Amino acid sequence: DAKTTQPPSMDCAEGRAANLPCNHSTISGNEYVYWYRQIHSQGPQYIIHGLKNNETNEMASLIITEDRKSSTLILPHATLRDTAVYYCIVRGGLYSGGGADGLTFGKGTHLIIQP
Amino acid sequence: DTGVSQNPRHKITKRGQNVTFRCDPISEHNRLYWYRQTLGQGPEFLTYFQNEAQLEKSRLLSDRFSAERPKGSFSTLEIQRTEQGDSAMYLCASSTGQWEKLFFGSGTQLSVL
Repeated sequence: DAKTTQPPSMDCAEGRAANLPCNHSTISGNEYVYWYRQIHSQGPQYIIHGLKNNETNEMASLIITEDRKSSTLILPHATLRDTAVYYCIVRGGLYSGGGADGLTFGKGTHLIIQP
Repeated sequence: DTGVSQNPRHKITKRGQNVTFRCDPISEHNRLYWYRQTLGQGPEFLTYFQNEAQLEKSRLLSDRFSAERPKGSFSTLEIQRTEQGDSAMYLCASSTGQWEKLFFGSGTQLSVL
């Protein structure tokens, strides 16, 4: 079962920042927040992940609240190619013990970039 | 292209037939995962391998589903006696190890008539 809650859909104007929220109120101390996206007819693509500090890479920024119960993925300058379903996933890290480490996907947020 | 490769991209079959899909992971990725995705849903985890060992198969949907990775490189997913409800996208992913990020292929779209 997915441990996250995301809005089903969002719109954003091209060139503006897209801010995608995610709630993960039951996250435990050794679980990471991952973001993937899936463009139509393709497999999911890794974007970014973090534990408690904010993270930035060439694709996006991840802001995690201090209590770690929610996070926001920021695409700083959205383009039409960013239209996709974005998945926020909570996943155990290096110290979470054994068991399957496969990702558990919810339904995600369908982000539509408007021209 | 050194990404995860899946073949075929599309498969149309009649109900009751057996089908097999192939996944070639990124070279030297020792973990390989299979997922199923139906329309409007996120991918659903099925099974995974560490090298040739299948570490989790309890989430395979029924005993008609089986997966192999005989030499720890490519993997196959077989569905026997297909049913219309098996129509879905079947995705493969690989990673360098436990808790590392997954890289996905483009999937095999199965249609059961």
